[in-house]
Amino acid sequence: DVVLTQTPSTLSATIGQSVSISCRSSQSLLDSAGNTYLYWYLQRPGQSPQLLIYLVSNLGSGVPNRFSGSGSGTDFTLKISGVEAEDLGVYYCMQATHAWTFGGGTKLELK
Amino acid sequence: EVQLVESGGGLVQPGRSMKLSCAASGFTFSNYGMAWVRQAPTKGLEWVATISYDGSSTYYRDSVKGRFTISRDNAKSTLYLQMNSLRSEDTATYYCTRGKRQKFRYYFDYWGQGVMVTVSS
Repeated sequence: DVVLTQTPSTLSATIGQSVSISCRSSQSLLDSAGNTYLYWYLQRPGQSPQLLIYLVSNLGSGVPNRFSGSGSGTDFTLKISGVEAEDLGVYYCMQATHAWTFGGGTKLELK
Repeated sequence: EVQLVESGGGLVQPGRSMKLSCAASGFTFSNYGMAWVRQAPTKGLEWVATISYDGSSTYYRDSVKGRFTISRDNAKSTLYLQMNSLRSEDTATYYCTRGKRQKFRYYFDYWGQGVMVTVSS
């Protein structure tokens, strides 16, 4: 089974600071057709998860462009360029190349 | 507006059964795959099962294979999860999610508010 390891598990940031979250896979997420099925979600406190990024680097509908995704193969990164208060919560990466697996989550909190 | 409303959760004894439902609206249900994702208290997200747009293909995580069945009624725009032989480790909030197919895989673009299932004697 594919394991996604997110680091750090907790991230403390000030408003306006830029931060990055890493997601590393135990197997390559590149399929035989050349597609990489890696996604990012945010779960705000008390809410359901919402889609941020699909297919590594594409912004979900209505997602601010301070969010960006990058990576390939087994290493992926979510970057927030200028954290805002509404960005606080737990971030999850998910892969869909080999069934579906979520990372363990990264909690973004205010410093 | 896409809406996914789960129902059917509650307290159930170990070994018993429970059936969850998810009523979908705001989109053409029969055009999308659907899935269940769960979250144990204070834990992370865990994929449970996925069903294709027409119900012809289903996928399960190993720990629920043979115990859970995902199904859908496209005429009623409703998704189901039949859960048998429930265990304490199945205790979680269960989210209904819409599966959008892009390239050759489904991903989950909309989520319901979730329904709590507690397995305890």
